[in-house]
Amino acid sequence: AQSVTQPDIHITVSEGASLELRCNYSYGATPYLFWYVQSPGQGLQLLLKYFSGDTLVQGIKGFEAEFKRSQSSFNLRKPSVHWSDAAEYFCAVGAIYNNDMRFGAGTRLTVKP
Amino acid sequence: GAVVSQHPSRVICKSGTSVKIECRSLDFQATTMFWYRQFPKQSLMLMATSNEGSKATYEQGVEKDKFLINHASLTLSTLTVTSAHPEDSSFYICSARPGNEQFFGPGTRLTVL
Repeated sequence: AQSVTQPDIHITVSEGASLELRCNYSYGATPYLFWYVQSPGQGLQLLLKYFSGDTLVQGIKGFEAEFKRSQSSFNLRKPSVHWSDAAEYFCAVGAIYNNDMRFGAGTRLTVKP
Repeated sequence: GAVVSQHPSRVICKSGTSVKIECRSLDFQATTMFWYRQFPKQSLMLMATSNEGSKATYEQGVEKDKFLINHASLTLSTLTVTSAHPEDSSFYICSARPGNEQFFGPGTRLTVL
């Protein structure tokens, strides 16, 4: 069964600093991988996704993620964090041939002024 | 991208009453929709997969008689929380997948008094 692990429950970074949020997945075949962001009381917004091809994917708001098959990882990065990036971030894995999606536990990002 | 709406965005009800939440795909047809539940500061948990014209598929541990799902058309799925209790208070999010990507609704905050 597919699963997603986000090892960091809460991360605090200073505004302008770089950010990396970790995500490890478990799945027997090639997965679809996603990063979503959720502001308090809101739904989920897709930041980026990986289906195939180039393992470094660019997303919205200056985010990028790198798929590393050998490490079963899909870490999210941003070179310079803005105060508005404070939110909850979810990594998710979806199988190609079925319809459901599994989410990690989420990482809460706090941005210090 | 595709748009999924939910109604209502917030609902407060008394214990023992039933509450209906609607999920609509606004600009595409969805033969399958997904219902998730999110407790405070936790991840999304898939509750059930709603199938147009047939019975929903429930995840293990989800009471099908308590969480009634109806997918009567290609653009509408409803989740009815029957005989709601305070422990049913949660954030309910639906999604649909017109292709390889899931699009999420904005969520419905249910509070049972």
